[in-house]
Amino acid sequence: AQKITQTQPGMFVQEKEAVTLDCTYDTSDQSYGLFWYKQPSSGEMIFLIYQGSYDEQNATEGRYSLNFQKARKSANLVISASQLGDSAMYFCAMREGLLRSSNTGKLIFGQGTTLQVKP
Amino acid sequence: DAMVIQNPRYQVTQFGKPVTLSCSQTLNHNVMYWYQQKSSQAPKLLFHYYDKDFNNEADTPDNFQSRRPNTSFCFLDIRSPGLGDAAMYLCATSRTGVNSPLHFGNGTRLTVT
Repeated sequence: AQKITQTQPGMFVQEKEAVTLDCTYDTSDQSYGLFWYKQPSSGEMIFLIYQGSYDEQNATEGRYSLNFQKARKSANLVISASQLGDSAMYFCAMREGLLRSSNTGKLIFGQGTTLQVKP
Repeated sequence: DAMVIQNPRYQVTQFGKPVTLSCSQTLNHNVMYWYQQKSSQAPKLLFHYYDKDFNNEADTPDNFQSRRPNTSFCFLDIRSPGLGDAAMYLCATSRTGVNSPLHFGNGTRLTVT
């Protein structure tokens, strides 16, 4: 079963508008972490934002915010005021079992969403 | 700046000819990972080191091996590359605290001819 599901293979957004990239996850752990990464066409993976399962507030980092709905097991990324440089592939990822001593930090990735920003 | 460095950026090898990809870090992170990423797909974890402890994923082919001689360096060896091994190989590091993000290198794009 898919642990991380990103249902939008591709998205378009007009420059300066906001866009939401969807991510749902599946885990039976009470403690887990959720991450979003950006991958431009050059290939490097850039960390954007983190949300812990026990965090009461939604994470924000500049123009990035995470709409965390724990009961629905969703962690959608919101990019405000889109810029042309935001065009890239975006990956949602999860790390399970934060409180297990055996956890070595393996990250499980979703299939990604390709975002194109139109001028 | 502290970083994760992968060499080479592009690697071309022949079918069946062993190849080694390298990764170094100046972050002093104790966990290092190797991911394989094929075009427009999610990165797939091959294995990772927690300090010196090697953790292999169950579905990683035996053709793929890894070495970590010290904290700073990690190598990915492909013993007999096949055409299906052509991909981007990403090295990443993190601290032990599992809320710590993975820091990725720029990747090595492997072509098999």
